[in-house]
Amino acid sequence: EDKVVQSPLSLVVHEGDTVTLNCSYEVTNFRSLLWYKQEKKAPTFLFMLTSSGIEKKSGRLSSILDKKELSSILNITATQTGDSAIYLCAVVKYGNKLVFGAGTILRVKS
Amino acid sequence: DTGVSQDPRHKITKRGQNVTFRCDPISEHNRLYWYRQTLGQGPEFLTYFQNEAQLEKSRLLSDRFSAERPKGSFSTLEIQRTEQGDSAMYLCASSLALQANTGELFFGEGSRLTVL
Repeated sequence: EDKVVQSPLSLVVHEGDTVTLNCSYEVTNFRSLLWYKQEKKAPTFLFMLTSSGIEKKSGRLSSILDKKELSSILNITATQTGDSAIYLCAVVKYGNKLVFGAGTILRVKS
Repeated sequence: DTGVSQDPRHKITKRGQNVTFRCDPISEHNRLYWYRQTLGQGPEFLTYFQNEAQLEKSRLLSDRFSAERPKGSFSTLEIQRTEQGDSAMYLCASSLALQANTGELFFGEGSRLTVL
């Protein structure tokens, strides 16, 4: 059965801290891995990763995929209160189905 | 607003009643997905359409659930004889087929169902 596991489940940090969120997966027919940010509404797309070792960056966020270890990390540097959200990892399978992890709840305190 | 829209945003119903949710995708998107999300969990795949064809259904979708996309544009998700376990956020997402191959889905804000 396909499985996407995220850790930690929740995290509380202070503004300015750096956080690392983890995602590991066991899925058949892996195509790519995605990160989404979900605040009170719909998930919004952050990154798509298809190749190992190539870091994707967007401002203070960055992410990298390790296909040998079947895992990915999402880093957020100099955290701000606006980073507080649920961060979802999802694996895209050939056939276009996304399998989501349970998410990591990040709370950034001022 | 040209994003994915869902209606209603909130629905409270009594157990045993039927409910229907509507999703209007981004207009040029030919793929439409339904996901269910419960508290503390990531979205779970329910079903998806390419144009009007329903291409895949999750085993989570019991016979009380039915989804349609009759003209390849908006979609409806109906739940018959609701149960308390159906209480969840029902998310709709859309994409172009090419985007779907890379995984980027555009989500609506969801329809939250509470079954009393």
